[in-house]
Amino acid sequence: DAGVTQSPTHLIKTRGQQVTLRCSPISGHKSVSWYQQVLGQGPQFIFQYYEKEERGRGNFPDRFSARQFPNYSSELNVNALLLGDSALYLCASAWTGSTDTQYFGPGTRLTVL
Amino acid sequence: KNQVEQSPQSLIILEGKNCTLQCNYTVSPFSNLRWYKQDTGRGPVSLTIMTFSENTKSNGRYTATLDADTKQSSLHITASQLSDSASYICVVSPYSSASKIIFGSGTRLSIRP
Repeated sequence: DAGVTQSPTHLIKTRGQQVTLRCSPISGHKSVSWYQQVLGQGPQFIFQYYEKEERGRGNFPDRFSARQFPNYSSELNVNALLLGDSALYLCASAWTGSTDTQYFGPGTRLTVL
Repeated sequence: KNQVEQSPQSLIILEGKNCTLQCNYTVSPFSNLRWYKQDTGRGPVSLTIMTFSENTKSNGRYTATLDADTKQSSLHITASQLSDSASYICVVSPYSSASKIIFGSGTRLSIRP
């Protein structure tokens, strides 16, 4: 079985642009969470979706938005990119809620110039 | 203030030696505490997960302990191997907001031959 997949692997954008990151969870998993990991730090929680509903949101500005589709895949959108948005964006899936073990994808490395 | 703090920040040991990584948390109450291993540029991989009522959990050469009274957890690695070189991250899920799990900054472990 395939694990969590994310696309693209790497992305370079300029300030002010918009970006969409994609995540496909493990088959059968209904929960998807997004994290931002700045170099040298632990991941920071951005969003969690379960059954296409937003279950939780971290302390990120409204420039960050996400959604989950009927097939449980998810997209993370970031508008008006800032230099500080440069990071590894991780997606994690789980069967149900956050008490389940989360399985992480390889991440998308976003560089904002 | 960080609710999950890890020490040391980095550690270098010789192959075959044992080591212990520390995690202090202020999150209380919590649903579970997990340890993840993250190779450079990759997503984290779950090593152990403990509920608040568990004291220890093993996964091969990895043994995690939890002291809920002192709010401390440790990850002990025995007979280290070169492949153990990675960042080890302590993660706590708050009981009141289970979706907003909190990551520590990690301990970067380097194993030298």
